[in-house]
Amino acid sequence: AQRVTQPEKLLSVFKGAPVELKCNYSYSGSPELFWYVQYSRQRLQLLLRHISRESIKGFTADLNKGETSFHLKKPFAQEEDSAMYYCALRVWGYQKVTFGTGTKLQVIP
Amino acid sequence: DTAVSQSPKYLVTQMGNDKSIKCEQNLGHDTMYWYKQDSKKFLKIMFSYNNKELIINETVPNRFSPKSPDKAHLNLHINSLELGDSAVYFCASSQGQGRNTIYFGEGSWLTVV
Repeated sequence: AQRVTQPEKLLSVFKGAPVELKCNYSYSGSPELFWYVQYSRQRLQLLLRHISRESIKGFTADLNKGETSFHLKKPFAQEEDSAMYYCALRVWGYQKVTFGTGTKLQVIP
Repeated sequence: DTAVSQSPKYLVTQMGNDKSIKCEQNLGHDTMYWYKQDSKKFLKIMFSYNNKELIINETVPNRFSPKSPDKAHLNLHINSLELGDSAVYFCASSQGQGRNTIYFGEGSWLTVV
């Protein structure tokens, strides 16, 4: 069965500092990886997906199959980045998306 | 226009009651989901429906009964509510299987007292 691990429950960084939210997964096949963001008391929103290889709001994430990781990075944190971030995995051809336990990012002014 | 809408947004009820949460999507998607986010912010899938048929049922107590009258609606009915049912319930939808984005509703905050 697939599994997503986000080792940090809370990550606090100062404004302007680099951010890296860790995500590791376990799945024997070729998964599809996502990052979702949830701002305070709002819906989850898709932030980015590995197949798009895009940068959204300054965030990037690269799928490393060797390390089975999909870490989310941003070079300079902004206060508005404070939110809950979920890494998620979907098996190709199936609707089920497995979420990690989430990491709360707190950007300190 | 709201893509995935849920109601009610907030619900406080007593143990033992029966309640329903409604969900509608206007995206023309054929797949809908219910997710539960507990007090620790863990997010877990409960159910998934594709074209009104149950596809995923993740070890959810049978007090929880989803109902999909059509592709655009997936309602969640909960019988005999328990304290542990207090959580935020998110409805979501996507188109088909494979690499399509899942869109979430704003969540329904259920508090059982």
